[in-house]
Amino acid sequence: SQTIHQWPATLVQPVGSPLSLECTVEGTSNPNLYWYRQAAGRGLQLLFYSVGIGQISSEVPQNLSASRPQDRQFILSSKKLLLSDSGFYLCAWRQGPNTEAFFGQGTRLTVV
Amino acid sequence: KQEVTQIPAALSVPEGENLVLNCSFTDSAIYNLQWFRQDPGKGLTSLLLIQSSQREQTSGRLNASLDKSSGRSTLYIAASQPGDSATYLCAVRIQGAQKLVFGQGTRLTINP
Repeated sequence: SQTIHQWPATLVQPVGSPLSLECTVEGTSNPNLYWYRQAAGRGLQLLFYSVGIGQISSEVPQNLSASRPQDRQFILSSKKLLLSDSGFYLCAWRQGPNTEAFFGQGTRLTVV
Repeated sequence: KQEVTQIPAALSVPEGENLVLNCSFTDSAIYNLQWFRQDPGKGLTSLLLIQSSQREQTSGRLNASLDKSSGRSTLYIAASQPGDSATYLCAVRIQGAQKLVFGQGTRLTINP
């Protein structure tokens, strides 16, 4: 069966520090991968998605970037965190465009 | 622009009751609609996926319906239990885009 892993679960980082969040999917190949952010009162917002290795699409301009160095690995990064980057970050995958989406357990990021 | 609305924002009912959660969307050009539950501080758990050509899907005590023409979906929970307490989110996959557009969720509390 397929599983999705996200880490770390929680992170407290100072303003201006770098960020790296990892997500991996097991039990499948060539998944579509997604990074969402959930902010209080704003619902879930798609940040990035990838349909293949090295292919990244950005949904909103921001202080973050994403990379997909391997088929089942998706990384969310920042060179310098802002206070506004605080939130709950969720990685998701699905096999095809019309299939069920599955989410990881999320990373709670607090920028101080 | 697709907008997804969930009413009510919060609902509290006694254990054993059957209940209905509502989801409405403004643009009927969707590929599918998916219901999730989210426990506090956790990721999203997929409950049901309904393709645009389908009218309903069932899983155990859950039944989700879709009326694409009127832009509505309902999630019916039979014989509610305290373990059903969570936030329930609906999301639509819009045509021509990769992202899911989420509602704000309904926070459900089942009282023993």
